[in-house]
Amino acid sequence: KAGVTQTPRYLIKTRGQQVTLSCSPISGHRSVSWYQQTPGQGLQFLFEYFSETQRNKGNFPGRFSGRQFSNSRSEMNVSTLELGDSALYLCASSLATGDWNEQFFGPGTRLTVL
Amino acid sequence: AQKITQTQPGMFVQEKEAVTLDCTYDTSDPSYGLFWYKQPSSGEMIFLIYQGSYDQQNATEGRYSLNFQKARKSANLVISASQLGDSAMYFCASLGVGGSEKLVFGKGTKLTVNP
Repeated sequence: KAGVTQTPRYLIKTRGQQVTLSCSPISGHRSVSWYQQTPGQGLQFLFEYFSETQRNKGNFPGRFSGRQFSNSRSEMNVSTLELGDSALYLCASSLATGDWNEQFFGPGTRLTVL
Repeated sequence: AQKITQTQPGMFVQEKEAVTLDCTYDTSDPSYGLFWYKQPSSGEMIFLIYQGSYDQQNATEGRYSLNFQKARKSANLVISASQLGDSAMYFCASLGVGGSEKLVFGKGTKLTVNP
């Protein structure tokens, strides 16, 4: 079974631009979560989508948004990029059928904002 | 709210020896899960082991075991017979029950295995 895939793997943008990252979950997984990882703040939860609905949201400004499609693929968008948005963005998928579900992570997208 | 504390920024261990990575947690959820992930320099998070709060026995997965002490709110990871490939960042994380897949991570511990 194929794992979680994220595209692109690397991205360089300039301040003020916007960016869209994509995540394809493991087949059959309905939940997709996004995390931001930076050296200073560590791993922080951005949001989670389940059956095309945002089920939970972290403490990030409205410039960060996401969506999930009917095939469970998810995208996250960051508008008006700032230098501090430079980070590794990880997405994770899970079956979300029980109390606790192992989350399978993708390889991440490394975003650099210049 | 949940909080995970990993007090060891870095740890060193000799190859073939065992090492314990510390993790304490604070949660108001009556039921929760605790996870350990490994992150090599490539960046991908690799699931290692999981412990449910109601599990009576400590979880084990090959060379990994989780020393779960509920009263002390600790969930330490024990790696036996360390290998050079174990050198990586290790993250402890918690997940509350209730219909959300939001993992709360600690700051991580960088493990270096010396030959």
